[in-house]
Amino acid sequence: NAGVTQTPKFRVLKTGQSMTLLCAQDMNHEYMYWYRQDPGMGLRLIHYSVGEGTTAKGEVPDGYNVSRLKKQNFLLGLESAAPSQTSVYFCASSYTRVGYGYTFGSGTRLTVV
Amino acid sequence: EDKVVQSPLSLVVHEGDTVTLNCSYEVTNFRSLLWYKQEKKAPTFLFMLTSSGIEKKSGRLSSILDKKELFSILNITATQTGDSAVYLCAVDHNNNDMRFGAGTRLTVKP
Repeated sequence: NAGVTQTPKFRVLKTGQSMTLLCAQDMNHEYMYWYRQDPGMGLRLIHYSVGEGTTAKGEVPDGYNVSRLKKQNFLLGLESAAPSQTSVYFCASSYTRVGYGYTFGSGTRLTVV
Repeated sequence: EDKVVQSPLSLVVHEGDTVTLNCSYEVTNFRSLLWYKQEKKAPTFLFMLTSSGIEKKSGRLSSILDKKELFSILNITATQTGDSAVYLCAVDHNNNDMRFGAGTRLTVKP
């Protein structure tokens, strides 16, 4: 019963490098979300998806891209990493869009130097 | 702009104390308010509140919403060291989004 799995758990990037964060869920959830968490700022929504093949921008989408080619996977890409993207990234999924149904992954700590 | 403000930002208490965490919000098209507990990693769901004045309770934790004054409180009675965590408040508004507050870091000392 894996729930929501994020890979990798930790990563250090140099400025300008690219990477992809993977979120996988095995609960057949329609909705998937990428958040970033910074000290003193809570969780902020980057992008989300309401179903396979769909994506939409959240509160802080700049510098990120996403794809949802398969229902169970939601990828977050950084094309050219910047120090401002140093953060902890959380993926979440839900069966419906109501907040109580969110299942969060354990997070990815990304440092851009 | 929609916003969710939590207070205090941090709190240190001793075991057995009672604490009250606050969450105020300004959002368009309010649907519900949620409380999460975040220990070391992923936030876990505590309560969802949609109606004013109806207390939700789970063991030593309880929460209530005031939709007129636009705030919610989370109470924890007889605190234990295991209650140490960051408590997040989030407001669900019908934009396929939850707006989170910055969180309250609670530390319970033995």
